Amino acid sequence: QVQLVESGGGVVQPGRSLRLSCAASGFTFYSYGMHWVRQAPGKGLEWVAVTSYDGSNKYYADSVKGRFTISRDNSRNTLYLQMTSLRSEDTAVYYCATQVVVIATQDAFDLWGQGTMVTVSS
Amino acid sequence: SYVLTQPPSVSVAPGQTARITCGGNDIGSKSVHWYQQKPGQAPVLVVYDDTVRPSGIPERISGSKSGNTATLTISRVEAGVEADYYCQVWDSSTDDSWVFGGGTKLTVL
Repeated sequence: QVQLVESGGGVVQPGRSLRLSCAASGFTFYSYGMHWVRQAPGKGLEWVAVTSYDGSNKYYADSVKGRFTISRDNSRNTLYLQMTSLRSEDTAVYYCATQVVVIATQDAFDLWGQGTMVTVSS
Repeated sequence: SYVLTQPPSVSVAPGQTARITCGGNDIGSKSVHWYQQKPGQAPVLVVYDDTVRPSGIPERISGSKSGNTATLTISRVEAGVEADYYCQVWDSSTDDSWVFGGGTKLTVL
């Protein structure tokens, strides 16, 4: 079964750190670029970061650049998001997502996890 | 940074046709993807590369693009399509980034 399962969310104080994980199964994880997308409560989708299939290229949204780090362990079929210096505006559901079935000209996310909630609050 | 503009809401009666627009500078040169998101669920890709439906998406959902506007059209609307809809593109103008529109809440009257 092709799926992504996020974990690691929770309540954290402002300024602290948290690491999210996304476990992939049912497809050749090491062949695909992987993304993080977040959604603040009652708000729209916001792309956060991407890593290439081998981790050699990474890009970030301006809102998280310098604070968040995306990484992957292809031997464990797992994607990570290390979040530091967390702010209240980082409160959101965090999804991992990728393109595994469709062949789009530019990345379209046809596989999403169920999301993990991060709440930044004192 | 690149901006995609969607109307916050669209309302349509059952059986009618809903059209959700997505505007952006030079969007004609970009591939537009559309997602449907129901409450408490992850988004689902319903159209990619402007007009292509993934397997399992009904034919009454279609995408088009003209000038600086992409449009998602849902024909013969019924309660099951009530959801939030997002357009999305890849922007390579600065660093690579993936941009979502603000989302449109489709309400079936």
